[in-house]
Amino acid sequence: ELKVEQNPLFLSMQEGKNYTIYCNYSTTSDRLYWYRQDPGKSLESLFVLLSNGAVKQEGRLMASLDTKARLSTLHITAAVHDLSATYFCAVDIKETSGSRLTFGEGTQLTVNP
Amino acid sequence: DAGVIQSPRHEVTEMGQEVTLRCKPISGHDYLFWYRQTMMRGLELLIYFNNNVPIDDSGMPEDRFSAKMPNASFSTLKIQPSEPRDSAVYFCASRRTYLGHEQYFGPGTRLTVT
Repeated sequence: ELKVEQNPLFLSMQEGKNYTIYCNYSTTSDRLYWYRQDPGKSLESLFVLLSNGAVKQEGRLMASLDTKARLSTLHITAAVHDLSATYFCAVDIKETSGSRLTFGEGTQLTVNP
Repeated sequence: DAGVIQSPRHEVTEMGQEVTLRCKPISGHDYLFWYRQTMMRGLELLIYFNNNVPIDDSGMPEDRFSAKMPNASFSTLKIQPSEPRDSAVYFCASRRTYLGHEQYFGPGTRLTVT
C-alpha cells in the first residue's frame, strides 16, 4: 500500500524566514502534486511535477521532485503571512483500472509577523 | 470554465435522514473522485469513477454510503441513513485521463448531521 508522509505536520515560522516541507512516498512514481488549502476552503493546485529532477517555482514557493529518493520538497523563501495555509502533497499511482492521487496528511503552516 | 460544481454547499440534517450530495465535473474530464475531510481523519478518498464506471469504492465507509455517475456530467453521493459521525466536508474532484494532468477540486459540501 502506498504511503505518503509529510513533515513537519505543523510549522510555525516568522515572516522573512526560509523553510522546507518534505514529502516522502513509499512506491515508484514520477508524478507528484502540491496543493494548498486555506481554512474553510477547497484544495487549490500549486504544482505538478512530472519527472525526476523537476523543479517548479511560483513566487516564494519552489517545489522539486527526486524520484529515486521518492522525495519531494516544497521550499518557502522569505515567508509572508499570506502563505499561511495547509499544504498537501499527493502522489499519482496508476492502478490496473485507473489512476488516483494518494495524499499526505498535510502540513499546517503558520507565518507569524 | 466554471470548474467543478457541488451542491448544496452546506447541509444540516437530522440523524436518520437521507442526504444526497451532487457534483458536476469539468467538461471533458473523465475521472471523478469523491473525498471526505475531517479533522480527525484528514482527507479520505471514498470512491472514484472513470468514464462513469466506479473503479474503486474501497474507501466508502459502509453500506449507508452509495455513489452513482449516470452520465459524464453528473454524480451523486448518497448517505442513507445519516449519522452524526458522517459530519464532514465532502469534496468532489475531476481530471482528464492523461497521466499527470491536474486534478481540480470543487468547493465542497459541509455536512452537519445532528
